[in-house]
Amino acid sequence: EIVLTQSPDFQSVTPKEKVTITCRASQSIGDGLHWYQQKPDQSPKLLIKYASQSLSGVPSRFSGSGSGTDFTLTINSLEAEDAATYYCHQSTNLPWTFGQGTKVEIK
Amino acid sequence: QVQLVESGGGVVQPGRSLRLSCAASGFTFSSHGMHWVRQAPGKGLEWVALISDDGSQQYYRDSVKGRFTISRDNSRNTLYLQIDSLRAEDTAVYFCAKDLTTLAIIFDYWGQGTLVTVSS
Repeated sequence: EIVLTQSPDFQSVTPKEKVTITCRASQSIGDGLHWYQQKPDQSPKLLIKYASQSLSGVPSRFSGSGSGTDFTLTINSLEAEDAATYYCHQSTNLPWTFGQGTKVEIK
Repeated sequence: QVQLVESGGGVVQPGRSLRLSCAASGFTFSSHGMHWVRQAPGKGLEWVALISDDGSQQYYRDSVKGRFTISRDNSRNTLYLQIDSLRAEDTAVYFCAKDLTTLAIIFDYWGQGTLVTVSS
């Protein structure tokens, strides 16, 4: 099973600050890495697909990068509505797995 | 717009069974793979099962193989998850999720979830 390890587990950030979340895979997964945002008491929302591909309706301050084993989600100029837990997910190998999540809190 | 509405959760004793349903609308249901993903209270996300667009292929995580059965009725636009021999560790919110394509394994829409609590 491919293990995805996110860092940090928790981040407290002031508005307009830049946020960087990393996701490391236990083996190479190419670009089969996707990012989700889950706000409290809500279902997850797809933010980025295939490591760096943006999605319609997702604010442009969200971007992704990486390939192989190391990936990054960047939130430029954090807004209050971005308070959430962020998960990476790999679609390359069964069983399809998620990272443990990174909780972003607004100071 | 895409809507996924789960139902069927509840409090169940260990060893009993439950069937979850997910009613889909707003897209061509028969053209997309469908998944169940669960989230234990206060924990992260865990993929559970996948069924292909035509229902011919099913995939499960090891911990639920032989106990969970995913199925679909494309004439009713409904996804199901039959859960047998429930265990305490199956306690979670169960989300149905739409695949981006037939089998991209990317969850582009999620339902609101239905809570399954396994307790005596």
